[in-house]
Amino acid sequence: EAQVTQNPRYLITVTGKKLTVTCSQNMNHEYMSWYRQDPGLGLRQIYYSMNVEVTDKGDVPEGYKVSRKEKRNFPLILESPSPNQTSLYFCASTPGGGHEQFFGPGTRLTVL
Amino acid sequence: GQQLNQSPQSMFIQEGEDVSMNCTSSSIFNTWLWYKQDPGEGPVLLIALYKAGELTSNGRLTAQFGITRKDSFLNISASIPSDVGIYFCAGQPRSNFGNEKLTFGTGTRLTIIP
Repeated sequence: EAQVTQNPRYLITVTGKKLTVTCSQNMNHEYMSWYRQDPGLGLRQIYYSMNVEVTDKGDVPEGYKVSRKEKRNFPLILESPSPNQTSLYFCASTPGGGHEQFFGPGTRLTVL
Repeated sequence: GQQLNQSPQSMFIQEGEDVSMNCTSSSIFNTWLWYKQDPGEGPVLLIALYKAGELTSNGRLTAQFGITRKDSFLNISASIPSDVGIYFCAGQPRSNFGNEKLTFGTGTRLTIIP
């Protein structure tokens, strides 16, 4: 089944403890992206990647890192999480030249 | 970063009613997309629009790409319980490759009153 998977789905952590949210897609898509969703603010892009080893900042990149060493994986790294990064995070992928973004199921992160 | 103004923020309607929502931008987009997010899931694409003035339907859903290219509209006719969710518009400034700058609206939460 074609899909985007994220792990973990739920995470509660404490300020300053490094964490990684994994994202994987099995559709051979070139483009991948991370968003955060907050009430009243919709979806805001954190980082995106147009292909392996090619990443760029989105609208709200502060406090986040990403890497794209393989086409299928696009992990999101929070080196030192803070409470303002408590949010619902979505990974998405798109085939090259396409417009539809296929979203993962989301990761709900709480930073205490 | 730029955000799209989406309205209304929330709607409470009765089953069978029609629904209208819209999205406006201060800048021009070449592509408009409408997504729906069911509770506990990621957004799913409903309709994509690629040309100013374009009117596209998907079942009971109809979306329009505004003539000015700065707005888009989504209508749902004869709403049913499974229409409940959050609807997002999204705009892309160019259509030559992917959606590296897909900007999302703030969402419209649709609730159906029994």
